[in-house]
Amino acid sequence: DTGVSQDPRHKITKRGQNVTFRCDPISEHNRLYWYRQTLGQGPEFLTYFQNEAQLEKSRLLSDRFSAERPKGSFSTLEIQRTEQGDSAMYLCASSSPGSEGGTDTQYFGPGTRLTVL
Amino acid sequence: AQKITQTQPGMFVQEKEAVTLDCTYDTSDQSYGLFWYKQPSSGEMIFLIYQGSYDEQNATEGRYSLNFQKARKSTNLVISASQLGDSAMYFCAMREGLSGTSYGKLTFGQGTILTVHP
Repeated sequence: DTGVSQDPRHKITKRGQNVTFRCDPISEHNRLYWYRQTLGQGPEFLTYFQNEAQLEKSRLLSDRFSAERPKGSFSTLEIQRTEQGDSAMYLCASSSPGSEGGTDTQYFGPGTRLTVL
Repeated sequence: AQKITQTQPGMFVQEKEAVTLDCTYDTSDQSYGLFWYKQPSSGEMIFLIYQGSYDEQNATEGRYSLNFQKARKSTNLVISASQLGDSAMYFCAMREGLSGTSYGKLTFGQGTILTVHP
């Protein structure tokens, strides 16, 4: 069983460019979460998918951010017109209700580190 | 108000000794879950241990155990027999009860950097 994977692992872009990240969750997990982590801080929640439905979005998710999970499997996170403040680690996690004895534990991918110049 | 508070920015421990990392939380929910994750310098968040709010026993998982004090709203992580590979950032996180507006997202603390000395 493979874990959560994310691509790319690193992305360097210039301010104003668009970037897209991909997350492949653990295959049987129907819940998928995106988090953002800036240096020296804990991760902060961005958005949540249950299957293909985006059910929750944080205030951190500005209009420049959009996320999709079209077939309820992989998910993409796009940032348009990137700003230097978008530089962070973007983490994806997946879980399944009732898994791990009902703990619904979230398992994280390795993250995508974005640097906006 | 902070929902998760980790008051120790950094901790040092000698190899083979035990260390306790502190975490307090704030919630009005009766049903919630508490998690600890390890984040090495590589960046990946590794799940360590879970404690449910209704669990009467303190959780244990190998060298990891929790000192869960519900009335004090604290869940401290105890790592026994520390190893050099335990050097990492440790995060405490809470998942509050599922509701119409909460779908299980985690709220994280600021983290504690643990350094294990040989």
